[in-house]
Amino acid sequence: DVKVTQSSRYLVKRTGEKVFLECVQDMDHENMFWYRQDPGLGLRLIYFSYDVKMKEKGDIPEGYSVSREKKERFSLILESASTNQTSMYLCASSSGGTGSYEQYFGPGTRLTVT
Amino acid sequence: TQLLEQSPQFLSIQEGENLTVYCNSSSVFSSLQWYRQEPGEGPVLLVTVVTGGEVKKLKRLTFQFGDARKDSSLHITAAQPGDTGLYLCAGESNTGFQKLVFGTGTRLLVSP
Repeated sequence: DVKVTQSSRYLVKRTGEKVFLECVQDMDHENMFWYRQDPGLGLRLIYFSYDVKMKEKGDIPEGYSVSREKKERFSLILESASTNQTSMYLCASSSGGTGSYEQYFGPGTRLTVT
Repeated sequence: TQLLEQSPQFLSIQEGENLTVYCNSSSVFSSLQWYRQEPGEGPVLLVTVVTGGEVKKLKRLTFQFGDARKDSSLHITAAQPGDTGLYLCAGESNTGFQKLVFGTGTRLLVSP
């Protein structure tokens, strides 16, 4: 069974704090993704990575950065948290094989910025 | 920009009723997936449809991919409380890297 774990289920931070969200997958997947999920907007892609040390911007990268130093770990960083970054954050991975687009998701981190 | 709109956004029904969720776009997708997300969990893949006009059945769930590969539907027969959750369609992005474009979501509540 593929397992994607996220470091926290719930997180409360203050405006201006630096926030780290970590994601680990145990299936040797090449691709990893960070999404934020807001009601009525579905999942919006923040950043993704298709290899170690490689990263690509998604649709809403502003205010975020990422790090992938090891294949199994993908971190999302909020350099200076703001209240409009209050959201559910979901990490996902996929195998990278041809024709395989299935993404496996972690349980999510609900971040509140006050 | 590829977009996927789902309707309805929210659906509250009684156990035993039938329902259909729609996923529409002006863009063509090579394939389309449906995920279900339960409270406190991440989305889980239900099915992938690839061919225009394709119909796939998963027990009481029937998935259809439009002939032009721009839309899809999910039909649930005799809904049960266990079907409660958020249903998301996702299309294969034309920008590569196995990216998906997710729909806006349909939240389904099935009451006993």
